Amino acid sequence: NAGVTQTPKFRILKIGQSMTLQCAQDMNHNYMYWYRQDPGMGLKLIYYSVGAGITDKGEVPNGYNVSRSTTEDFPLRLELAAPSQTSVYFCASIVPNTGELFFGEGSRLTVL
Amino acid sequence: DQQVKQNSPSLSVQEGRISILNCDYTNSMFDYFLWYKKYPAEGPTFLISISSIKDKNEDGRFTVFLNKSAKHLSLHIVPSQPGDSAVYFCAASWGTSGSRLTFGEGTQLTVNP
Repeated sequence: NAGVTQTPKFRILKIGQSMTLQCAQDMNHNYMYWYRQDPGMGLKLIYYSVGAGITDKGEVPNGYNVSRSTTEDFPLRLELAAPSQTSVYFCASIVPNTGELFFGEGSRLTVL
Repeated sequence: DQQVKQNSPSLSVQEGRISILNCDYTNSMFDYFLWYKKYPAEGPTFLISISSIKDKNEDGRFTVFLNKSAKHLSLHIVPSQPGDSAVYFCAASWGTSGSRLTFGEGTQLTVNP
């Protein structure tokens, strides 16, 4: 099925560990995004990309890094995980000229 | 600075009745507004949108109303069904780039049979 695929769905990390959340889309969308959702809060933009090789910071980029080597893939890297990064992470791409985001199912990350 | 606010964390309605979810915004530059629905353990899905040049957009049981002077929009669901039970996010943007999209906190809608 076409869409946005995120892995892993769940992960527990220890403080100071690093990991990469994977995101892939097969809709040939240029624009891709990473959001985090904390309980009782809306989605906050971490990083986004307007195409392969181009990335930019969103609202809450600290503690994260991204890369975009292909149109399909947009991994999110957490370096030196902290408890404040416990959250649900959503990757999304945008349907061109609509403003409508197409989200993955989310990755729940817990940092202990 | 919360530019998009959904002041009701939760709403409970009876099946068949109308559900009204509200959203307020502060940034006058916003010109495009969207509603997303989210079920547990799933990503949000797009529901309906409205451009600032309109004051109403309808799609089946879902209607979004925009009051620009009050910086307020609302989502009406008529009739409400138990399957509508979900968290609803309001979002606002200027332009159609997702990098300019700001989300509200969400409202948990529960439709009781």
